[in-house]
Amino acid sequence: GIQVEQSPPDLILQEGANSTLRCNFSDSVNNLQWFHQNPWGQLINLFYIPSGTKQNGRLSATTVATERYSLLYISSSQTTDSGVYFCAVGKGGSEKLVFGKGTKLTVNP
Amino acid sequence: EPEVTQTPSHQVTQMGQEVILRCVPISNHLYFYWYRQILGQKVEFLVSFYNNEISEKSEIFDDQFSVERPDGSNFTLKIRSTKLEDSAMYFCASSLNSGDTQYFGPGTRLTVL
Repeated sequence: GIQVEQSPPDLILQEGANSTLRCNFSDSVNNLQWFHQNPWGQLINLFYIPSGTKQNGRLSATTVATERYSLLYISSSQTTDSGVYFCAVGKGGSEKLVFGKGTKLTVNP
Repeated sequence: EPEVTQTPSHQVTQMGQEVILRCVPISNHLYFYWYRQILGQKVEFLVSFYNNEISEKSEIFDDQFSVERPDGSNFTLKIRSTKLEDSAMYFCASSLNSGDTQYFGPGTRLTVL
Protein backbone atom coordinates (compact mmCIF):
# COMPACT_ATOMS: atom_id res chain seq x y z
CA GLY A 1 0.00 0.00 0.00
CA ILE A 2 0.89 3.65 -0.12
CA GLN A 3 3.62 4.81 2.27
CA VAL A 4 3.63 8.19 4.01
CA GLU A 5 6.74 9.55 5.68
CA GLN A 6 6.87 12.73 7.70
CA SER A 7 9.89 14.70 8.78
CA PRO A 8 11.22 15.73 11.14
CA PRO A 9 9.69 13.45 13.79
CA ASP A 10 10.25 16.07 16.49
CA LEU A 11 10.71 19.81 16.32
CA ILE A 12 11.32 22.28 19.14
CA LEU A 13 11.01 25.99 18.47
CA GLN A 14 11.02 29.27 20.31
CA GLU A 15 7.89 31.34 20.02
CA GLY A 16 8.06 33.53 16.92
CA ALA A 17 10.17 31.14 14.85
CA ASN A 18 9.15 29.72 11.48
CA SER A 19 9.12 26.03 10.54
CA THR A 20 8.61 23.68 7.62
CA LEU A 21 7.16 20.20 7.99
CA ARG A 22 7.49 17.70 5.17
CA CYS A 23 5.34 14.81 3.98
CA ASN A 24 6.57 12.35 1.33
CA PHE A 25 4.27 9.77 -0.20
CA SER A 26 4.99 6.81 -2.41
CA ASP A 27 2.20 6.92 -5.02
CA SER A 28 -0.14 9.30 -6.80
CA VAL A 29 -2.94 10.61 -4.60
CA ASN A 30 -6.32 12.26 -5.02
CA ASN A 31 -6.58 13.40 -1.41
CA LEU A 32 -4.01 14.93 0.91
CA GLN A 33 -4.93 16.48 4.23
CA TRP A 34 -2.91 18.10 7.00
CA PHE A 35 -4.17 17.82 10.57
CA HIS A 36 -3.15 19.26 13.90
CA GLN A 37 -3.75 16.97 16.87
CA ASN A 38 -4.17 19.13 19.93
CA PRO A 39 -3.29 18.10 23.51
CA TRP A 40 -6.84 16.80 24.01
CA GLY A 41 -6.40 14.39 21.10
CA GLN A 42 -8.71 16.14 18.65
CA LEU A 43 -7.75 16.09 14.95
CA ILE A 44 -8.18 19.56 13.55
CA ASN A 45 -8.38 19.92 9.77
CA LEU A 46 -5.78 22.37 8.51
CA PHE A 47 -5.74 21.87 4.75
CA TYR A 48 -7.20 19.72 2.02
CA ILE A 49 -4.46 20.02 -0.56
CA PRO A 50 -3.94 17.20 -3.10
CA SER A 51 -2.11 19.74 -5.26
CA GLY A 52 -1.21 23.41 -5.33
CA THR A 53 -0.75 25.97 -2.59
CA LYS A 54 -3.11 27.28 0.09
CA GLN A 55 -2.76 29.75 2.92
CA ASN A 56 -4.74 30.25 6.09
CA GLY A 57 -3.39 32.93 8.37
CA ARG A 58 0.06 31.97 9.65
CA LEU A 59 -0.17 28.53 8.05
CA SER A 60 0.35 27.62 4.44
CA ALA A 61 0.79 24.37 2.54
CA THR A 62 2.13 23.31 -0.81
CA THR A 63 1.75 19.95 -2.51
CA VAL A 64 3.85 19.01 -5.53
CA ALA A 65 1.91 15.96 -6.67
CA THR A 66 4.29 15.08 -9.51
CA GLU A 67 7.17 14.84 -7.04
CA ARG A 68 5.06 13.22 -4.30
CA TYR A 69 5.59 15.58 -1.41
CA SER A 70 3.78 18.22 0.57
CA LEU A 71 5.09 20.94 2.85
CA LEU A 72 3.38 22.67 5.75
CA TYR A 73 4.75 26.08 6.72
CA ILE A 74 4.12 27.62 10.11
CA SER A 75 5.21 31.23 10.51
CA SER A 76 5.58 33.23 13.72
CA SER A 77 4.85 30.14 15.79
CA GLN A 78 2.87 30.42 19.03
CA THR A 79 2.71 28.10 22.04
CA THR A 80 -0.78 27.09 20.95
CA ASP A 81 0.73 25.61 17.77
CA SER A 82 2.24 22.83 19.88
CA GLY A 83 0.97 19.33 19.18
CA VAL A 84 1.36 16.66 16.56
CA TYR A 85 0.94 17.45 12.88
CA PHE A 86 -0.25 14.62 10.66
CA CYS A 87 -0.24 14.30 6.91
CA ALA A 88 -2.76 11.82 5.46
CA VAL A 89 -3.22 10.74 1.86
CA GLY A 90 -5.81 8.90 -0.18
CA LYS A 91 -5.52 7.13 -3.52
CA GLY A 92 -8.08 7.10 -6.26
CA GLY A 93 -10.32 4.05 -5.99
CA SER A 94 -9.82 3.80 -2.23
CA GLU A 95 -11.83 5.48 0.51
CA LYS A 96 -9.24 5.37 3.24
CA LEU A 97 -6.78 7.99 4.36
CA VAL A 98 -3.31 6.66 5.16
CA PHE A 99 -1.63 8.66 7.89
CA GLY A 100 2.02 9.37 8.49
CA LYS A 101 3.53 9.02 11.94
CA GLY A 102 3.37 12.74 12.51
CA THR A 103 5.70 15.56 13.51
CA LYS A 104 5.59 16.51 17.18
CA LEU A 105 6.00 20.26 17.46
CA THR A 106 6.83 21.96 20.74
CA VAL A 107 6.81 25.75 20.83
CA ASN A 108 8.43 27.21 23.92
CA PRO A 109 7.59 30.69 25.24
CA GLU B 1 -19.93 25.41 10.85
CA PRO B 2 -21.28 21.83 10.79
CA GLU B 3 -19.22 19.30 12.66
CA VAL B 4 -19.02 15.61 13.39
CA THR B 5 -19.98 14.70 16.95
CA GLN B 6 -19.16 11.55 18.92
CA THR B 7 -20.44 10.04 22.14
CA PRO B 8 -19.28 9.16 24.68
CA SER B 9 -16.04 11.08 24.93
CA HIS B 10 -14.56 8.40 27.17
CA GLN B 11 -15.68 4.81 27.75
CA VAL B 12 -14.24 2.34 30.19
CA THR B 13 -15.20 -1.32 29.84
CA GLN B 14 -14.18 -4.75 31.03
CA MET B 15 -12.48 -7.19 28.68
CA GLY B 16 -15.05 -9.34 26.90
CA GLN B 17 -17.82 -6.75 27.08
CA GLU B 18 -19.56 -5.26 24.08
CA VAL B 19 -19.27 -1.55 23.38
CA ILE B 20 -21.06 0.72 20.96
CA LEU B 21 -19.46 3.98 19.92
CA ARG B 22 -21.77 6.58 18.42
CA CYS B 23 -21.25 9.27 15.84
CA VAL B 24 -23.39 11.89 14.15
CA PRO B 25 -21.78 12.76 10.80
CA ILE B 26 -22.29 16.07 9.02
CA SER B 27 -25.87 16.01 7.80
CA ASN B 28 -25.47 16.14 4.02
CA HIS B 29 -22.42 13.88 3.86
CA LEU B 30 -22.63 10.54 2.10
CA TYR B 31 -19.42 8.74 3.17
CA PHE B 32 -18.67 7.71 6.73
CA TYR B 33 -15.51 6.33 8.29
CA TRP B 34 -14.05 4.93 11.49
CA TYR B 35 -10.36 5.25 12.38
CA ARG B 36 -8.48 4.41 15.53
CA GLN B 37 -5.31 5.63 17.19
CA ILE B 38 -3.53 3.54 19.80
CA LEU B 39 -1.82 5.82 22.31
CA GLY B 40 1.36 7.31 20.87
CA GLN B 41 0.87 5.76 17.45
CA LYS B 42 -0.44 6.91 14.10
CA VAL B 43 -4.07 7.00 13.07
CA GLU B 44 -5.26 3.82 11.31
CA PHE B 45 -8.21 3.31 8.99
CA LEU B 46 -10.82 0.76 10.08
CA VAL B 47 -13.80 0.98 7.71
CA SER B 48 -15.69 3.16 5.26
CA PHE B 49 -19.45 3.10 4.71
CA TYR B 50 -21.50 4.35 1.78
CA ASN B 51 -25.03 3.77 0.61
CA ASN B 52 -25.80 1.66 3.68
CA GLU B 53 -23.00 -0.81 3.20
CA ILE B 54 -19.32 -1.23 3.92
CA SER B 55 -17.32 0.05 0.95
CA GLU B 56 -13.84 -0.71 2.27
CA LYS B 57 -12.31 -2.20 5.41
CA SER B 58 -8.85 -2.85 6.78
CA GLU B 59 -7.41 -6.08 8.14
CA ILE B 60 -7.97 -4.67 11.63
CA PHE B 61 -11.73 -4.68 11.03
CA ASP B 62 -12.37 -8.35 11.76
CA ASP B 63 -15.54 -10.17 12.80
CA GLN B 64 -15.43 -8.53 16.22
CA PHE B 65 -16.30 -5.20 14.63
CA SER B 66 -19.49 -4.06 12.94
CA VAL B 67 -20.91 -0.75 11.76
CA GLU B 68 -24.46 0.41 11.32
CA ARG B 69 -26.43 3.46 10.32
CA PRO B 70 -29.56 2.79 12.37
CA ASP B 71 -31.34 5.96 11.31
CA GLY B 72 -30.79 9.03 9.16
CA SER B 73 -28.34 10.68 11.49
CA ASN B 74 -26.36 8.20 13.59
CA PHE B 75 -23.43 5.99 12.60
CA THR B 76 -22.22 3.39 15.09
CA LEU B 77 -19.21 1.15 15.62
CA LYS B 78 -19.79 -1.98 17.70
CA ILE B 79 -17.04 -4.10 19.20
CA ARG B 80 -18.57 -7.40 20.26
CA SER B 81 -16.07 -8.74 22.77
CA THR B 82 -13.46 -6.17 23.67
CA LYS B 83 -9.81 -7.07 24.15
CA LEU B 84 -7.10 -5.16 25.98
CA GLU B 85 -5.55 -4.22 22.65
CA ASP B 86 -8.76 -2.49 21.56
CA SER B 87 -7.89 0.33 23.95
CA ALA B 88 -7.47 3.36 21.69
CA MET B 89 -8.98 6.64 20.56
CA TYR B 90 -11.69 5.96 17.98
CA PHE B 91 -12.43 8.68 15.46
CA CYS B 92 -15.48 8.96 13.26
CA ALA B 93 -15.23 10.98 10.04
CA SER B 94 -17.48 11.93 7.16
CA SER B 95 -17.12 13.39 3.68
CA LEU B 96 -19.51 14.63 1.04
CA ASN B 97 -18.02 12.56 -1.74
CA SER B 98 -15.24 10.03 -2.19
CA GLY B 99 -11.88 11.82 -2.29
CA ASP B 100 -13.26 14.95 -0.63
CA THR B 101 -12.13 16.41 2.68
CA GLN B 102 -12.79 14.02 5.54
CA TYR B 103 -13.99 15.82 8.66
CA PHE B 104 -13.13 14.14 11.92
CA GLY B 105 -15.06 14.05 15.16
CA PRO B 106 -13.42 14.71 18.54
CA GLY B 107 -12.96 11.00 19.22
CA THR B 108 -14.01 8.46 21.86
CA ARG B 109 -11.27 7.23 24.14
CA LEU B 110 -11.93 3.55 24.83
CA THR B 111 -10.18 1.94 27.77
CA VAL B 112 -10.47 -1.84 28.16
CA LEU B 113 -9.54 -3.20 31.59
